[in-house]
Amino acid sequence: QQQVKQSPQSLIVQKGGISIINCAYENTAFDYFPWYQQFPGKGPALLIAIRPDVSEKKEGRFTISFNKSAKQFSLHIMDSQPGDSATYFCAASDFGNEKLTFGTGTRLTIIP
Amino acid sequence: DAGVIQSPRHEVTEMGQEVTLRCKPISGHDYLFWYRQTMMRGLELLIYFNNNVPIDDSGMPEDRFSAKMPNASFSTLKIQPSEPRDSAVYFCASSRQVRAFFGQGTRLTVV
Repeated sequence: QQQVKQSPQSLIVQKGGISIINCAYENTAFDYFPWYQQFPGKGPALLIAIRPDVSEKKEGRFTISFNKSAKQFSLHIMDSQPGDSATYFCAASDFGNEKLTFGTGTRLTIIP
Repeated sequence: DAGVIQSPRHEVTEMGQEVTLRCKPISGHDYLFWYRQTMMRGLELLIYFNNNVPIDDSGMPEDRFSAKMPNASFSTLKIQPSEPRDSAVYFCASSRQVRAFFGQGTRLTVV
C-alpha cells in the first residue's frame, strides 16, 4: 500500500515561533506533494504544494522543504500565529492519476 | 466559482435507513473524489472518478456503499442500509491538474 507517514501527531508552538511538520513517502512515482490545512468544521484547503524538481518552495510564511533522495518533505510555518492553529495534512500523488494519498495529520496549536 | 458544493451539511438517520450524499464539483474539473474522515482512521479515499467514469473503488468499505456520477456536474454517495459505524464526515473533492479542492463535508450520524 502506498503510504505517506506524517509526524508529529500534535504540535504546540508559541506565537512567533517556527512550526515544523514532517512527512516521508515510499512510492518513488509520486511527483506532486501538497499540504492541506483544515479548520474545525471545514474541508481541507490546499495551502502550498511542491514538485520534486525543486528543493524548496516558499509562499509567505509557509515553506516546503523537499529532499528527494531521502523521500522526505516538510512544512515550515514561520512567525506562527494563533490563526494558524489547525490540522495540517501532507499528501502525495502521481501526476498521472491525481489520486492523493494523505498523511495522518498534525494538530497544530499556537499559544500566545 | 462557488467551489465544491455538498449537501446536506448534516444528516442524522436511524440504523437501517438509506442515506444519499450529494456533490457538485467545480466546473471544468475532471476528477471527483469521495473521502471519509474519522478520528480513528483519518482521511480515507473511498472512490474516485475521472470524466464521470469510476476509476478506483477499492476504498469503498462494503457493498452497502455505492457511488455514481451521472454527469460532470453531479455525484452521489449512497449508503444502504446505514449502520452506526458509518458515522463520519464525508468529503467530496474535485481536481484538475492535481489541484484538489474539497467541499465543506457532510457530517453523518447514524443512530
